[in-house]
Amino acid sequence: GENVEQHPSTLSVQEGDSAVIKCTYSDSASNYFPWYKQELGKGPQLIIDIRSNVGEKKDQRIAVTLNKTAKHFSLHITETQPEDSAVYFCAARLTGGFKTIFGAGTRLFVKA
Amino acid sequence: DVKVTQSSRYLVKRTGEKVFLECVQDMDHENMFWYRQDPGLGLRLIYFSYDVKMKEKGDIPEGYSVSREKKERFSLILESASTNQTSMYLCATQAPGLHLNFGPGTRLTVL
Repeated sequence: GENVEQHPSTLSVQEGDSAVIKCTYSDSASNYFPWYKQELGKGPQLIIDIRSNVGEKKDQRIAVTLNKTAKHFSLHITETQPEDSAVYFCAARLTGGFKTIFGAGTRLFVKA
Repeated sequence: DVKVTQSSRYLVKRTGEKVFLECVQDMDHENMFWYRQDPGLGLRLIYFSYDVKMKEKGDIPEGYSVSREKKERFSLILESASTNQTSMYLCATQAPGLHLNFGPGTRLTVL
């Protein structure tokens, strides 16, 4: 079945540095790729998403890139802050489909 | 903003008990989902519903059932709880073609 692999599982950066999380998906029919942030004691919340007709999308300090040929997509956080510390999940889905497949998650620590 | 509420934040049950996890949403979304979250495994889909009284199995439905009698409410039922069902349970809604909106989660411990 469909699979999403996410790396690294843990990432520690100094405040102000950049953080990159990478994901690979298996189903070439996937065309919607959301990223979720989960803070302690809360449910995951969408932070950015990208559709397969776009190669890159930015929202302030967060950007996502998509390489459909290689079936890779990545999350980039610049100028990291302590409040960016959380677990991040990548995911893949067919637009209009019901099943969202999640990566295993990346725990990001931003050291002040 | 969509609000998704779950009946309990923490729950402790005994092996063999019947367990009900309730989820309520306030935005009239047709699609509702139950996921379980375990360390190193991400979020895995248990069941989903695309309309009242409609339900579909997800990837790990064994040991679970669901009920959707009203559009705003989607219940997850553990018929006979087992220790391997100790987990974080997340309810979510989705407008068609858009992202998931998650509730705060219920951390269930089965002793």
